[in-house]
Amino acid sequence: DAGVIQSPRHEVTEMGQEVTLRCKPISGHNSLFWYRQTMMRGLELLIYFNNNVPIDDSGMPEDRFSAKMPNASFSTLKIQPSEPRDSAVYFCASSLPVYRTNTEAFFGQGTRLTVV
Amino acid sequence: KQEVTQIPAALSVPEGENLVLNCSFTDSAIYNLQWFRQDPGKGLTSLLLIQSSQREQTSGRLNASLDKSSGRSTLYIAASQPGDSATYLCAVRLKSGGSYIPTFGRGTSLIVHP
Repeated sequence: DAGVIQSPRHEVTEMGQEVTLRCKPISGHNSLFWYRQTMMRGLELLIYFNNNVPIDDSGMPEDRFSAKMPNASFSTLKIQPSEPRDSAVYFCASSLPVYRTNTEAFFGQGTRLTVV
Repeated sequence: KQEVTQIPAALSVPEGENLVLNCSFTDSAIYNLQWFRQDPGKGLTSLLLIQSSQREQTSGRLNASLDKSSGRSTLYIAASQPGDSATYLCAVRLKSGGSYIPTFGRGTSLIVHP
């Protein structure tokens, strides 16, 4: 398996524009996480999906942020409208169900977002 | 809410030293604990996973221990090398509370100089 795949790797956009980040989890993983990493706050969980259903979105900072998982192999994180303070690295991670023996979380390479 | 603390925040050592990185957590009812490595501008690479029923895990020069009762984990790096320079993050997964989400510490930034 190629691991968790995120696209794009880098995104530079103007304030007010819509930004869509994409993630393909590892095949067979049913848990998917979106994190945001900044120097100030470290890694923060934004939203967690289990079997394509959002379980915990308490970390989504504002209504400008939305996430979907239409099927087991694809998820998107959308910011509309984007603001300069959204600039960060956004990571997607996936893992097997927690009742399995090995629930190691695997991370993608991240999307570095810059909003100017 | 689970809080994860990593000490020290930064560490600079000469090559060859044995190192101990610390991770503490407030809720001892964890499901597992995972240590990651992150190189500058890169993603997170999993190093070791310790289930709640385990006391330690080893991989090459790395050894991670877990003491749930005291809310602590340590990552031991033997005979450090310049290639070990990176940020090391620990993440704990809660066993209860309705969530099984990896919660991260802020990391330890390690520099091993020749």
